[in-house]
Amino acid sequence: GEDVEQSLFLSVREGDSSVINCTYTDSSSTYLYWYKQEPGAGLQLLTYIFSNMDMKQDQRLTVLLNKKDKHLSLRIADTQTGDSAIYFCAEIGNQGGKLIFGQGTELSVKP
Amino acid sequence: ETGVTQTPRHLVMGMTNKKSLKCEQHLGHNAMYWYKQSAKKPLELMFVYNFKEQTENNSVPSRFSPECPNSSHLFLHLHTLQPEDSALYLCASSQEGSSGAGELFFGEGSRLTVL
Repeated sequence: GEDVEQSLFLSVREGDSSVINCTYTDSSSTYLYWYKQEPGAGLQLLTYIFSNMDMKQDQRLTVLLNKKDKHLSLRIADTQTGDSAIYFCAEIGNQGGKLIFGQGTELSVKP
Repeated sequence: ETGVTQTPRHLVMGMTNKKSLKCEQHLGHNAMYWYKQSAKKPLELMFVYNFKEQTENNSVPSRFSPECPNSSHLFLHLHTLQPEDSALYLCASSQEGSSGAGELFFGEGSRLTVL
């Protein structure tokens, strides 16, 4: 079945760049998403990329997609303590089916 | 404020209790979802409703019973749960047919503890 994998933890210093990685198995993925979950809150959509794109930039966020390797990454430039959260990668296939989430990567930003 | 409200935020129940989780969305969306979030595991989709009709039941045990009386409200009725059902239950909504098919709007979740 479809699977999305992420590492569980990432720790960075304030001001550094963070790179959160994700791999997926569904070669028919049409859209790939990054959601952010702050403590005590639900998930919030951060950004998404269509599968025919390699890169998408939105202010401090850069999404890179390597479709051949089924690898997605989220780079956060100048990481701030407010970026501390759990980041979920998710994908949706071309069958218009359900959104498949990874386990989430807990980003810890040290001052 | 995401436009999706869940109550209660915290619930502690015994294995023989019956309780319900409630979700309300103020976004005019036509699809609503229940997800289960356990620590260090992927979000598990439980149920999907489109225009009040259930379109997905992801092999969820019958001790979880969803109810969708209209497109704005979604309930999850709980009965004779097990301790392993303790988790954060997230409700979400979306507008089916829109360009961003995976754009879900989540509530803050109901933290359930089963003793």
